[in-house]
Amino acid sequence: SQTIHQWPATLVQPVGSPLSLECTVEGTSNPNLYWYRQAAGRGLQLLFYSVGIGQISSEVPQNLSASRPQDRQFILSSKKLLLSDSGFYLCAWSRLNTGELFFGEGSRLTVL
Amino acid sequence: KQEVTQIPAALSVPEGENLVLNCSFTDSAIYNLQWFRQDPGKGLTSLLLIQSSQREQTSGRLNASLDKSSGRSTLYIAASQPGDSATYLCAVKNNQGGKLIFGQGTELSVKP
Repeated sequence: SQTIHQWPATLVQPVGSPLSLECTVEGTSNPNLYWYRQAAGRGLQLLFYSVGIGQISSEVPQNLSASRPQDRQFILSSKKLLLSDSGFYLCAWSRLNTGELFFGEGSRLTVL
Repeated sequence: KQEVTQIPAALSVPEGENLVLNCSFTDSAIYNLQWFRQDPGKGLTSLLLIQSSQREQTSGRLNASLDKSSGRSTLYIAASQPGDSATYLCAVKNNQGGKLIFGQGTELSVKP
């Protein structure tokens, strides 16, 4: 069966510090991978998606970047965090044949 | 531009009641529709996926229907339990390569 892991689960960082959130998927190959951010009030915003190694599409201009160094690894990064980067970050993968989306447990980032 | 709306934003029911959650979308040319459950501070759990060619899907006490012509989907929960308390989100994908558009969710509380 397929599983998705995200870490760290919780992170408190000062403004201006770097960020690295990691996501890995097991039990499937060549998945489509996604990073979402969920702000207070439940809204989900798609940040990045990837259809293969090194292939990243950005949905919104922002202070963040994403990379996919391996088939089942997706990394969300920032060189200098802003207060507005605080939020709940969710990684997801989708089945290619049905398009069904599966989420990780999320990473809560607080920038102080 | 696809927009997804969920009404009501919050719902409180007594245990044992059957209930219906609503999801509406503005563009009927969808690829699929997916219902998720989210517990506080957690990631999203996929409940049901309905492809555009399907009218409904069932899993246990859950039944989701899809009416593309009217731009509506409903999630029916039978014999609700306190453990069903969570936020329920629906999401629509417009085409095979399209991104998922999320509603704002309905926060369900089932009182014992």
